[in-house]
Formats: sequence, C-alpha cells, structure tokens
Amino acid sequence: EPEVTQTPSHQVTQMGQEVILRCVPISNHLYFYWYRQILGQKVEFLVSFYNNEISEKSEIFDDQFSVERPDGSNFTLKIRSTKLEDSAMYFCASNLLDSGNTEAFFGQGTRLTVV
Amino acid sequence: AQSVAQPEDQVNVAEGNPLTVKCTYSVSGNPYLFWYVQYPNRGLQFLLKYITGDNLVKGSYGFEAEFNKSQTSFHLKKPSALVSDSALYFCAVRDQTGANNLFFGTGTRLTVIP
Repeated sequence: EPEVTQTPSHQVTQMGQEVILRCVPISNHLYFYWYRQILGQKVEFLVSFYNNEISEKSEIFDDQFSVERPDGSNFTLKIRSTKLEDSAMYFCASNLLDSGNTEAFFGQGTRLTVV
Repeated sequence: AQSVAQPEDQVNVAEGNPLTVKCTYSVSGNPYLFWYVQYPNRGLQFLLKYITGDNLVKGSYGFEAEFNKSQTSFHLKKPSALVSDSALYFCAVRDQTGANNLFFGTGTRLTVIP
C-alpha cells in the first residue's frame, strides 16, 4: 500500500537554528499539506500546496515557515529560526484531489524538539 | 469557523465489549467528517468518512460511525473491541463550502483491556 514517508522521525535543534523537515508524498498525489500537533493539543493545519505554490495557509504559518517541492518527489517544510514553541509533531499529508470526497494520507510524523 | 470536540481524553473498554469514541463538530455549511487512528510510532491512518448519503458509515477494521446532523455528532463505534484497537483516535471535519483543510479534535486515547 502506498504511504507518505517523513524524515527524520525525531529532530532536536537549538533555538534560532534552521530546520528542514522532509516528506515524500504518494507518487500520484497532487495536493500536499503540513500539519502540526503540539504535545497534548489538537492537530493544526499549517499549509496546503498545489501546482508548486501555496494554496492555503493558517495563521501559524508565518514568515518563519516556508515550503518547497524541490524535485518531483520531495515536499519540505523549513523553519528559518526555530523557537521553543515550535516544538511539536509535524505531519505531512497528501491527497489525490482537494475535495472532500477523497481522504488525505498522512505520514508518521517528525517530532521536532527545540532546546 | 470549523471546530471539532472530542470530550473524552481517554476511553477504557474491556475486550469484547462495544466501544464508542465521541465527536461533535461545528461548521458553517455541510460537513465532510473523518476518523483517523494513530498507532504508536505511526502516522495518522484513515478509518472512515462521511460525505453524504447514509448516516451510518462503515470503515476499516470493523469500525463504523453515525452521522447525526441534529446533534452535530459523528461518534465512532465498534460492536466488539479488540486489544489491537488500542490507539489514539482523531475526529476531523472539513466544510464543504469553506477551506479545504481538515480541522481535528484533540484526540481520544482508547485502551482495550484484555
């Protein structure tokens, strides 16, 4: 069964450092997403991406965040200068379509710890 | 604005007994509703969805959910729980007319006791 894969599974970084979280979506999917879950809180939408550009973003996705699809397979989330409050589990997801009739497939997550 | 509430952080049930994991939602239009499950060290796995039609939706691993528009609920159910069902369950909603991203609840940890 095709799946979304994320690397690394756990990343520890110092405050102020840049981090890049990587995702390989399902190969024929067209829509890509990043969500995050701060420990004990709900899963929150960050950004959606289609046709090489951001289609939607939440208030959380400020100028410190950026996304990129550098090649035909990877989808990355970059945090330019990490803050303690960026510590969370980050989930990548992909969907064939962007309609409610299809479900998004999620990766196993990257746990980011900012110290 | 869309929102989802999962009122129980933890649900414990004995193996073989029926289980219910509760979810209520709020959207401005008609909802698309989803249940996802997360096993340890795994991603969110899709279980089932309600789009339109029958209020009772059947999904993977014997789970089902009932859409109740008047109560704005979408509770997840299974007639007979297995120990292997122990996991974290997330309810999510998407507004048919609004933003295309999912809004999640805080999750309910289900523990099935042998």
